[in-house]
Amino acid sequence: QQQVKQSPQSLIVQKGGIPIINCAYENTAFDYFPWYQQFPGKGPALLIAIRPDVSEKKEGRFTISFNKSAKQFSLHIMDSQPGDSATYFCAAGAGSYQLTFGKGTKLSVIP
Amino acid sequence: GAVVSQHPSRVICKSGTSVKIECRSLDFQATTMFWYRQFPKQSLMLMATSNEGSKATYEQGVEKDKFLINHASLTLSTLTVTSAHPEDSSFYICSARGPGRSYNEQFFGPGTRLTVL
Repeated sequence: QQQVKQSPQSLIVQKGGIPIINCAYENTAFDYFPWYQQFPGKGPALLIAIRPDVSEKKEGRFTISFNKSAKQFSLHIMDSQPGDSATYFCAAGAGSYQLTFGKGTKLSVIP
Repeated sequence: GAVVSQHPSRVICKSGTSVKIECRSLDFQATTMFWYRQFPKQSLMLMATSNEGSKATYEQGVEKDKFLINHASLTLSTLTVTSAHPEDSSFYICSARGPGRSYNEQFFGPGTRLTVL
């Protein structure tokens, strides 16, 4: 019940495309869903996060879509750029407990 | 805001020695800090959770005598890898969470690459 399933494992898109990364969870106690971006050799950086009282949140080129009934959430990157090439992790948290992370998606944006 | 630093960024040591890694929250008070370990091309594996002034809570399978965690102040937590061996080589990352922040927001440090020869 603590798992967060992330897909795809890797993704290649052309510059300007809209990569979509999906995550699914089972624990209905989760109430915080962040996305992290990690470049090689660096720590993860918080990109954007959503709570279940909204279905969508947008910050710049990054959008989270959240479907509470399906227990799924996804990250969309608009107008993707080569600089967006990184590994993206979704996560889920409940209350003050630690976050549960997905396995990550390696995104490559080719010029 | 919400900057977390780690020191050192990279360390190479001989087998049998101990290595200390520092994690600092630079612009907020971190009531809770987390230590993760990450293997190449894998997700983050939570090792332990530490609250300021109390003993760390270790995840199942993590040796508390090998990975000593101290969270003595609201801005500093340390991870000491005792009697390090080559299998301890990994990328160690801390994160911090504090009051005044959304209660579940975690901010990560840049990581420490440990290589044990």
